[in-house]
Amino acid sequence: DSGVTQTPKHLITATGQRVTLRCSPRSGDLSVYWYQQSLDQGLQFLIQYYNGEERAKGNILERFSAQQFPDLHSELNLSSLELGDSALYFCASSVGVGTPSTDTQYFGPGTRLTVL
Amino acid sequence: DQQVKQNSPSLSVQEGRISILNCDYTNSMFDYFLWYKKYPAEGPTFLISISSIKDKNEDGRFTVFLNKSAKHLSLHIVPSQPGDSAVYFCAASGSSGGSYIPTFGRGTSLIVHP
Repeated sequence: DSGVTQTPKHLITATGQRVTLRCSPRSGDLSVYWYQQSLDQGLQFLIQYYNGEERAKGNILERFSAQQFPDLHSELNLSSLELGDSALYFCASSVGVGTPSTDTQYFGPGTRLTVL
Repeated sequence: DQQVKQNSPSLSVQEGRISILNCDYTNSMFDYFLWYKKYPAEGPTFLISISSIKDKNEDGRFTVFLNKSAKHLSLHIVPSQPGDSAVYFCAASGSSGGSYIPTFGRGTSLIVHP
């Protein structure tokens, strides 16, 4: 158990809908990262928040948005869903901003989104 | 364009033998490299890392080798155990605006047969 929790585990919805994925980081971790893993793809970085502020942005679609709340949990909002958005969405957390030699990312179990 | 490539989608090895997982990268700005292991229905777990100032890092049965001139790294598992059966992701990072976000490969599925 990494200490990172994600809800829900599975989500099935229809095209055009909007969903919210939730992530609670490990106790004490200030950074939250969101990744998308489509079929046979590596993990694609979407966005990072550090202590409530956006820190880094990857290939996140304009239909997607995220935020980190004062209690440090984070939500990823996906709207106007398309079939191609079906994927595993992982959240990870780390203590600091992500300095690789000292700042390991701990991943949650993921949310599997299916868009029909 | 994939900046981190794991060209072998799968690898099958006998228990007790060596497993060698390979990874190539294209971005010369990458200076830190990581391996993650992932079991089904779980998130990736950090396994081992190496800085570009080193060419080898060892942690128990796991050793990562880095060849900067070839832009190639490999993960050696000796001896391989059935519990090592998982998907292994190679990742590389370099400072971008003060933030090190890893770029992941597509993974190699390792099966260790008893």
